[in-house]
Order: sequence, then C-alpha cells, then structure tokens
Amino acid sequence: QQPVQSPQAVILREGEDAVINCSSSKALYSVHWYRQKHGEAPIFLMILLKGGEQKGHDKISASFNEKKQQSSLYLTASQLSYSGTYFCGTEGMNTGFQKLVFGTGTRLLVSP
Amino acid sequence: DTGVSQDPRHKITKRGQNVTFRCDPISEHNRLYWYRQTLGQGPEFLTYFQNEAQLEKSRLLSDRFSAERPKGSFSTLEIQRTEQGDSAMYLCASSSMDTYEQYFGPGTRLTVT
Repeated sequence: QQPVQSPQAVILREGEDAVINCSSSKALYSVHWYRQKHGEAPIFLMILLKGGEQKGHDKISASFNEKKQQSSLYLTASQLSYSGTYFCGTEGMNTGFQKLVFGTGTRLLVSP
Repeated sequence: DTGVSQDPRHKITKRGQNVTFRCDPISEHNRLYWYRQTLGQGPEFLTYFQNEAQLEKSRLLSDRFSAERPKGSFSTLEIQRTEQGDSAMYLCASSSMDTYEQYFGPGTRLTVT
C-alpha cells in the first residue's frame, strides 16, 4: 500500500519552518526522502533505517518512528530553494532490496 | 562521478509503435531500478536488476514491457505496441550494495499520440 503524506501542500514564507509526515500501514525497514522540482528527477535527501534514528544535515532533518510506521521531515528556516514536491519512499521488511513505494507527495512553496 | 544518465530525454511516438529507452547508472552501482511517474504522482516501481539479473518485476509491467541489463552496466527498457496510457516519465535509479541511497536519472518523458 502507498504511504500517505500530509499535508498535501504547504505555503511558507522564507525563514519559516515546516513538517511533512509520511505514514504507512505496513511494517517498514527504511524510509527515504526525496525532493523533486517540476520536470526534474527526484533528488535524494536522506534515508532512515529501522531503529528509530533521527538524521539531519544543514536545516533539514527527519525522524522515523518504527512503532507507528511514521516518518517526519523537518524543514527549518526554509529557503526559496526548498520549493518543490517532497516524496517519502518506504521499504517494507524482507524485500531483499530497496523496492520503494512512494507516497502521495507534499507540494511545498516557499515565497520571499 | 557523472551521475545516472538517460537517453532520450523526450520521446514522442504514435500509438502502436515500439520505443526503447536507455539508462546508464553510476559506474560502481550494481543495483538498477526502473520507475514510472505520471503527473502529480510519486514514482511507481517497475523492475529491479542486481548486476545483470532481473530479480523483480512489478505487476504493472505488462508483457509489452521488457527490460535488460546485458552486462550489468547500462540497461534498456522497451515498450512494444505503445498505448496512450503508457505516456509518463520513465525514471531510472541506481544504488550500490553497500549503501541504501537510490540516485535517479533525469528521466525519459514519453508521449504517445
């Protein structure tokens, strides 16, 4: 089943924060986050593995709650370049490889 | 490291024609994936190669679709007797056995008229 992302869309002013959530009904091994700009390929942001770790670089971080099968992406002090559609890709248990099922997407627009 | 490349970037074809797309993964990556993405949706998994072996194929992939990775390097995706419903962006991604990150190519946008 496709993971569900929320919200579907967010509009921010530059410098504001945002949280994007990804929920799955299946047990997960990993969650991958990507950002995609219109007409371009998805760009890898980060991966979280089973174990509930939190990761981050620069002003983007993420967490993975394996008990709830949920991941959240945190965007702090947003920049114009953060605009795009964010997808989570989930990997189930025992797939043997990173067969990702992507979420419904969250459109983020950062305005000046 | 030149990243994942795909060719062509755009393809317009008439219904019923055959098309073939090529993907060149990052050179040291032995895992290769094909995805399809339609407007407003996330990528959908189509098939997976580990080296030259095609290890999984989605039920989305009808028998009109075939993919190869003959020497474990580049891969081709062929669609026979194209239909309008095949219009989409076809994305290729690669990863290594040591890490989990999948890196995507720029995609081939297919339009079937």
